[in-house]
Amino acid sequence: EDQVTQSPEALRLQEGESSSLNCSYTVSGLRGLFWYRQDPGKGPEFLFTLYSAGEEKEKERLKATLTKKESFLHITAPKPEDSATYLCAVQEYGQNFVFGPGTRLSVLP
Amino acid sequence: DAGVTQSPTHLIKTRGQQVTLRCSPKSGHDTVSWYQQALGQGPQFIFQYYEEEERQRGNFPDRFSGHQFPNYSSELNVNALLLGDSALYLCASSFTAPSYEQYFGPGTRLTVT
Repeated sequence: EDQVTQSPEALRLQEGESSSLNCSYTVSGLRGLFWYRQDPGKGPEFLFTLYSAGEEKEKERLKATLTKKESFLHITAPKPEDSATYLCAVQEYGQNFVFGPGTRLSVLP
Repeated sequence: DAGVTQSPTHLIKTRGQQVTLRCSPKSGHDTVSWYQQALGQGPQFIFQYYEEEERQRGNFPDRFSGHQFPNYSSELNVNALLLGDSALYLCASSFTAPSYEQYFGPGTRLTVT
């Protein structure tokens, strides 16, 4: 059975303090790994798709990387507006999305 | 370009009642998936519709049913509501191929009392 875990559960950073969020997964055949950002009470906002180990994607202060067993979301010099829950999801070929529980990020000014 | 829309925004129902939630996909998307998200948890897959048929289903009871219309919009129906059905219900749309990225709507907050 697919399993997706995320760590840490919650992370508090000072503005400008860079860090990384982890998403670990166990699937038989990875079709894609997806990162989303979710603000309280709203739907997840799509950030990145990664398809193969070694792949990297960047968007503003965010950079996502993928290995065969995990993905990292690196946040460089975060700002308070980056505060949100970050979700990762994996998709096995022919299967639906399986989401992790998310990491709640708080960036303090 | 309109994104995914859902209605209603909030809903309060009594245990045992039935509810219908609605979703319009992002322009050009033909596949709709529904998710249930409890507070503090990640979304859980309910089912997916393509060409007006249920293509995949998650681990949810038959009380949860759906429908997709010819214009690709979709409904989620939940019968015999339980207190545990209280959650944020999310609709996501996507292309069948080649990209599988799912784009989410704002959700419907269902409270069962």
